[in-house]
Amino acid sequence: QQQVKQSPQSLIVQKGGISIINCAYENTAFDYFPWYQQFPGKGPALLIAIRPDVSEKKEGRFTISFNKSAKQFSLHIMDSQPGDSATYFCAASLGSSNTGKLIFGQGTTLQVKP
Amino acid sequence: NAGVTQTPKFRVLKTGQSMTLLCAQDMNHEYMYWYRQDPGMGLRLIHYSVGEGTTAKGEVPDGYNVSRLKKQNFLLGLESAAPSQTSVYFCASKPLGQGGNQPQHFGDGTRLSIL
Repeated sequence: QQQVKQSPQSLIVQKGGISIINCAYENTAFDYFPWYQQFPGKGPALLIAIRPDVSEKKEGRFTISFNKSAKQFSLHIMDSQPGDSATYFCAASLGSSNTGKLIFGQGTTLQVKP
Repeated sequence: NAGVTQTPKFRVLKTGQSMTLLCAQDMNHEYMYWYRQDPGMGLRLIHYSVGEGTTAKGEVPDGYNVSRLKKQNFLLGLESAAPSQTSVYFCASKPLGQGGNQPQHFGDGTRLSIL
């Protein structure tokens, strides 16, 4: 019940295309869903996050879509650029807890071809 | 402002050897975490700390120990290294406030190989 399942494992997109990464969770008590971006040789960094009281959040070319009834959320990268090539992790946590623990998905390696 | 600093960056050990990975943060964060990252498995929590002098087990704690004697430092120890502990280890810290809604700040990792 603590798992977060992420797909696809890898993704190749042409420059200017839309990249879509999907995640599913089981624990309905999760109330905070961040996405992290990781470049080779670096640690993950927060990209964008959403709470379940909204269905969509957009920051620049990055959008999270959230479907509470289906227990799914996804990251959309519009107008994908070669600089977006990285590994992306979805995560979930109990925002109300006093530990701040995150449960991460398995990761998606995105390659944007020029 | 260095953020989260991990040392060493790379290390090769022989089976049965011991070592300590150091994580230091200069952001006065209360929470600190140790993860391991393996291909296809994402980031898995090893141990974490919600404040100086406190530690708790995460998802995969076996074979590891931790200490948080000072607020800014979080040490991860391997008492008797095994090949299954070959991985990239990440430390993260997070400020106090609103539980999980503050971002975790990660170091750049320690790549550890156990022969």
